[in-house]
Amino acid sequence: AQKVTQAQTEISVVEKEDVTLDCVYETRDTTYYLFWYKQPPSGELVFLIRRNSFDEQNEISGRYSWNFQKSTSSFNFTITASQVVDSAVYFCALSGAGGGNKLTFGTGTQLKVEL
Amino acid sequence: DTAVSQTPKYLVTQMGNDKSIKCEQNLGHDTMYWYKQDSKKFLKIMFSYNNKELIINETVPNRFSPKSPDKAHLNLHINSLELGDSAVYFCASRQGGRNTEAFFGQGTRLTVV
Repeated sequence: AQKVTQAQTEISVVEKEDVTLDCVYETRDTTYYLFWYKQPPSGELVFLIRRNSFDEQNEISGRYSWNFQKSTSSFNFTITASQVVDSAVYFCALSGAGGGNKLTFGTGTQLKVEL
Repeated sequence: DTAVSQTPKYLVTQMGNDKSIKCEQNLGHDTMYWYKQDSKKFLKIMFSYNNKELIINETVPNRFSPKSPDKAHLNLHINSLELGDSAVYFCASRQGGRNTEAFFGQGTRLTVV
C-alpha cells in the first residue's frame, strides 16, 4: 500500500515571502516516483515535477525548488518570493509498483498568496 | 491542440438519471485513468485502463462503468445518479508505467440535484 500525507491544509503568505509545502510518503517499494501537481482556481491539474527514488538531488526551477529526503520519506516543495499567481492547491503524488502504478495523491495544500 | 479533452465540462442532472462523460487523448499514451475529486479536493482513482484493458477498479459502485473503445478514448457512464456522485471527474493519460507523469483533462463538474 502507498500513502501520501500533506499535513498543511491551508497556508497563507504575503507576496514575496518564501513558503514550503510539506509532503511525506509511505511505500514498501524500493523503486518509486514522486510528483507535484498544481491546481489553480481555474481547476486544471498542472504537472510540476517528477523525481525517482534513486535521485536525491535537489532540483531548482526558477522560483521553485524541491527537496527529496529518502531518510525522512519527504519530498518538500519551496516557492521563493511567492507571487499572487502562485495561489493554488498543490498536490504531492506517489507512483510505485505496490500501488499498481497508479498515482496516489495527498490531500493537497491550499496556498493563498496575498498582496 | 488539447492533449487530454473531456466533454462535457459541466453536467447538471437529476437523481436517477444516467449520464456519460467522454475523454480523448491525442498523446499516443497507452494508459488512461478516471479520478474523482470531491468537495474537499481529494483526488481518488476510480479506474485505470492499459491498451483498452481494465487494470484498476478501485471499489467503485457498479453504477459506474468505464468503456475504452480504443487506447485513445476512455468514457465513463454512470447509471442511476445519486446526490453523492456530485464531484469533479478527471480523465488522465500516461505513457508506460510508474515513472511517467500523467496528463489531466480539464475536468467535468457533475452536479446531481
